[in-house]
Amino acid sequence: DADVTQTPRNRITKTGKRIMLECSQTKGHDRMYWYRQDPGLGLRLIYYSFDVKDINKGEISDGYSVSRQAQAKFSLSLESAIPNQTALYFCATSDFDTQYFGPGTRLTVL
Amino acid sequence: DAKTTQPTSMDCAEGRAANLPCNHSTISGNEYVYWYRQIHSQGPQYIIHGLKNNETNEMASLIITEDRKSSTLILPHATLRDTAVYYCIVRVDSSYKLIFGSGTRLLVRP
Repeated sequence: DADVTQTPRNRITKTGKRIMLECSQTKGHDRMYWYRQDPGLGLRLIYYSFDVKDINKGEISDGYSVSRQAQAKFSLSLESAIPNQTALYFCATSDFDTQYFGPGTRLTVL
Repeated sequence: DAKTTQPTSMDCAEGRAANLPCNHSTISGNEYVYWYRQIHSQGPQYIIHGLKNNETNEMASLIITEDRKSSTLILPHATLRDTAVYYCIVRVDSSYKLIFGSGTRLLVRP
């Protein structure tokens, strides 16, 4: 969905490096989310935000942090990347019911 | 949120209807049934959702049994581009949670 963009689309980094994944949306939604997906599995929620001043942990927040810079921007940071954080990362936005997902960022931690 | 059970994989011929079942026998009265799909590592795409009445949109139809313990997603004329993993999710409409299971891998054959 072109209304939700993620940068970078692919990233290879080394263990211990700090990395930031960025998400922007033009849908005007207040709610934004970060998920990760491991091969062959469904998506798991990392963090979510209902508005600029609201940040909440999801089911797998350890090792991650987020920043909601504006209604349209929600960033995910890995303070010190480790190999088991290698995954596909998706950002999503929603109104009250339907979530709309970005194209994903493929992250590889060596 | 109620748990769902879906077949691991299915296939159908191009041009035929694809009927994807989902069991949600523990669904509560205020939980909706949502369907998303994910095409080869792209971001999940919203398809349709419903509470108890059957629903139809430009993508698909959703048939929910009277007791609401199961539902079927119908793609009326499947095309090769419908090959994807289809996720059935039940949740309270106001909840932020989308709990993704393993889904059904649908293969549309030429």
